[in-house]
Amino acid sequence: NAGVTQTPKFRVLKTGQSMTLLCAQDMNHEYMYWYRQDPGMGLRLIHYSVGEGTTAKGEVPDGYNVSRLKKQNFLLGLESAAPSQTSVYFCASSYGASGGLHEQYFGPGTRLTVT
Amino acid sequence: GENVEQHPSTLSVQEGDSAVIKCTYSDSASNYFPWYKQELGKRPQLIIDIRSNVGEKKDQRIAVTLNKTAKHFSLHITETQPEDSAVYFCAASETYGGSQGNLIFGKGTKLSVKP
Repeated sequence: NAGVTQTPKFRVLKTGQSMTLLCAQDMNHEYMYWYRQDPGMGLRLIHYSVGEGTTAKGEVPDGYNVSRLKKQNFLLGLESAAPSQTSVYFCASSYGASGGLHEQYFGPGTRLTVT
Repeated sequence: GENVEQHPSTLSVQEGDSAVIKCTYSDSASNYFPWYKQELGKRPQLIIDIRSNVGEKKDQRIAVTLNKTAKHFSLHITETQPEDSAVYFCAASETYGGSQGNLIFGKGTKLSVKP
């Protein structure tokens, strides 16, 4: 099993450009998450999905959109990138709700720089 | 909503010494408390977790204790080794009206173990 994979690993964007980050998992997990990690800020939830075709906002959703058209994939979109979105983005997945005691498995991360 | 505070933000110990990282949470209904380890440039990985019906859990050199009354939990690493050097994140599960929600992470502790 590959676990959780993310594409791309690195990306540099100019302000105003758009891009999509792809997360894929092969563990048949229902739940998927997108986090951003900034120095000294820990992991903050952007959006999450509790199943195919569903998405919900997390703690810091502004400026991002997501889609979960297939159970194994969770896409994160930036419509008009801003320097404040420079960060490391992590995708994660879990069999069930974390509050329901299910471990989250993380992808390797995507380092995004917006100039 | 849930709020998780983590201390200290940095911790330096000599090899062989013990290290303790503490977290407090605000939602008395939270019932799941995982700890993640993130090595430099790598993804976060679960190292130990504890449920609200348990006061302490051990796994070789690491242990976690939970005080529900005081709403705090701690990670204890004994006989530290250089490979324990990493950033450690605590987390607590959110609850919404009795339903299980997502994880809220602390801001992390950078542990350095000096040989």
